Amino acid sequence: DAGVIQSPRHEVTEMGQEVTLRCKPISGHNSLFWYRQTMMRGLELLIYFNNNVPIDDSGMPEDRFSAKMPNASFSTLKIQPSEPRDSAVYFCASSLVSGGPGEQFFGPGTRLTVL
Amino acid sequence: DQQVKQNSPSLSVQEGRISILNCDYTNSMFDYFLWYKKYPAEGPTFLISISSIKDKNEDGRFTVFLNKSAKHLSLHIVPSQPGDSAVYFCAASRRTYKYIFGTGTRLKVLA
Repeated sequence: DAGVIQSPRHEVTEMGQEVTLRCKPISGHNSLFWYRQTMMRGLELLIYFNNNVPIDDSGMPEDRFSAKMPNASFSTLKIQPSEPRDSAVYFCASSLVSGGPGEQFFGPGTRLTVL
Repeated sequence: DQQVKQNSPSLSVQEGRISILNCDYTNSMFDYFLWYKKYPAEGPTFLISISSIKDKNEDGRFTVFLNKSAKHLSLHIVPSQPGDSAVYFCAASRRTYKYIFGTGTRLKVLA
């Protein structure tokens, strides 16, 4: 059974360009999370969707970041315009649990480098 | 301001010995704690969890200890195996989806 799928796995772009990261959660999971990992701050939650609806976007750093979940099997995280400080690994995770604690299944991540 | 701290960025242990990974937290409202393991080029995978009503939880070679008065938890791996070499993240939550992760400890088990 496929796990969480993310694409691309690596992205190198120049400052000012638009970047779109993609995620396909595990089938049947109704919660989806976007995280960012940096050396200094570890894993930070950016946004949480439940049943395709954004519930908590308090972790989205700036208006340059936006996320959508048009259906249960697809989500995007967009950065426009990108800046060098956005360089990080971005993880998508999904879960069967709505709202409460439970195992979150992570994708392999997208390593973003903004030059 | 880090609410969950893993003060040791790395740890090396001989195969067969005990590995002890530590984690401190500052928010006394946290009542659910987890450990995740991460191999290079992969996403974190869930390892073990503990609720604040317990002070110990075991799963095979892995045991998590919680000291609420000290706001400290630790992960013990006994015996350590080379395949345990990975980055370990602790996380805390207030019984919600919102996990606060530490920055991770890189464990290297030497054969």
